[in-house]
Amino acid sequence: DSGVTQTPKHLITATGQRVTLRCSPRSGDLSVYWYQQSLDQGLQFLIHYYNGEERAKGNILERFSAQQFPDLHSELNLSSLELGDSALYFCASSRAGIQQFFGPGTRLTVL
Amino acid sequence: DQQVKQNSPSLSVQEGRISILNCDYTNSMFDYFLWYKKYPAEGPTFLISISSIKDKNEDGRFTVFLNKSAKHLSLHIVPSQPGDSAVYFCAANLQGAQKLVFGQGTRLTINP
Repeated sequence: DSGVTQTPKHLITATGQRVTLRCSPRSGDLSVYWYQQSLDQGLQFLIHYYNGEERAKGNILERFSAQQFPDLHSELNLSSLELGDSALYFCASSRAGIQQFFGPGTRLTVL
Repeated sequence: DQQVKQNSPSLSVQEGRISILNCDYTNSMFDYFLWYKKYPAEGPTFLISISSIKDKNEDGRFTVFLNKSAKHLSLHIVPSQPGDSAVYFCAANLQGAQKLVFGQGTRLTINP
């Protein structure tokens, strides 16, 4: 158990809909990262927040947005969903240094 | 632009033998390299890392080798155990960018 929690574990929705994925980092970790893993692909970096502020952006679509709240939990919002958005979404947290601790992921299925 | 590549999607090794997983990269600005292990229905878990100023780092059965001139790193697992069967991801930290760039992963299967 990494100490990072993600909810929900599974999400099934329809095209055009909007969903919110939630992440609670390890106690004391100020950084939260979001990654997308499509079928048989590596993890693609989406966005990094540090203590409530956006620090780095990857290949995140404009339909996607994220935020980190004062209690340090983070939410990833995905809107106008398309079939190709079906993937595993991972959240990771870190305190300092390079190592990131990953949550169990949310599996999103868009029908 | 795939900056970190794991060219072998899968690898099968006999229990007790050595497993060697390979990773190539293109960006000279990577300053740390990490290996993560992933079981089904779980998130990746950190295994071992190496700084770009080193050429070897060892932790128990796991050793990572870095060849900067070839832009290549490898993970050696000796001896391989059935519990090592998982997907292994190579990742690189981009200096100053605060993000990890991952390879596509290699599925390692340890046969009894």
